[in-house]
Amino acid sequence: AQSVTQLGSHVSVSEGALVLLRCNYSSSVPPYLFWYVQYPNQGLQLLLKYTTGATLVKGINGFEAEFKKSETSFHLTKPSAHMSDAAEYFCAVIPTGGGNKLTFGTGTQLKVEL
Amino acid sequence: GAVVSQHPSWVICKSGTSVKIECRSLDFQATTMFWYRQFPKQSLMLMATSNEGSKATYEQGVEKDKFLINHASLTLSTLTVTSAHPEDSSFYICSATEPGSLLETQYFGPGTRLLVL
Repeated sequence: AQSVTQLGSHVSVSEGALVLLRCNYSSSVPPYLFWYVQYPNQGLQLLLKYTTGATLVKGINGFEAEFKKSETSFHLTKPSAHMSDAAEYFCAVIPTGGGNKLTFGTGTQLKVEL
Repeated sequence: GAVVSQHPSWVICKSGTSVKIECRSLDFQATTMFWYRQFPKQSLMLMATSNEGSKATYEQGVEKDKFLINHASLTLSTLTVTSAHPEDSSFYICSATEPGSLLETQYFGPGTRLLVL
């Protein structure tokens, strides 16, 4: 079954530093890829998604992700972290042609320090 | 943008009782709604897919008699946890898809935290 792996369950960065959250997918056929953010005790909010076309995807709150087929990766980045970015981030996948059921990674907790 | 609400936001109940959770799409009609459960510090696990006017499709390992899902209208789906036990305590999140949007993007509700004593 299609899956995604998020390396690092916890990531800590200083405010203003680069944010890099890693996500790798398992498929020979590129799936549809998503990043969601979850703030404490809340549901999920879509940050960005990759379907087809441009491999660099820009999302909300200054986040972007690059689809790299050769590396089967879809890492999430933000040039400068803000305290409000502290949250849980989930990478998710829908297999190409596989309906609309999302499979989530295990999540990465981002901590932003002063 | 598309908004999904859930009610209640949290509930505490005694073991053996049933609890109903509502999921509503506020500004769009959702032909499909999904129910997830999330244990502390873990990812979301899909429980079932709910289509308006038809029976829900449950994921493997999810007891359909335990978790009753009803999708009676295009804006409302309910999840009833029957005869709840402490192991059912979890964070339940629903999502809804907006027909016609690319890949039918899922919009998530804020979640319902259930604690069974």
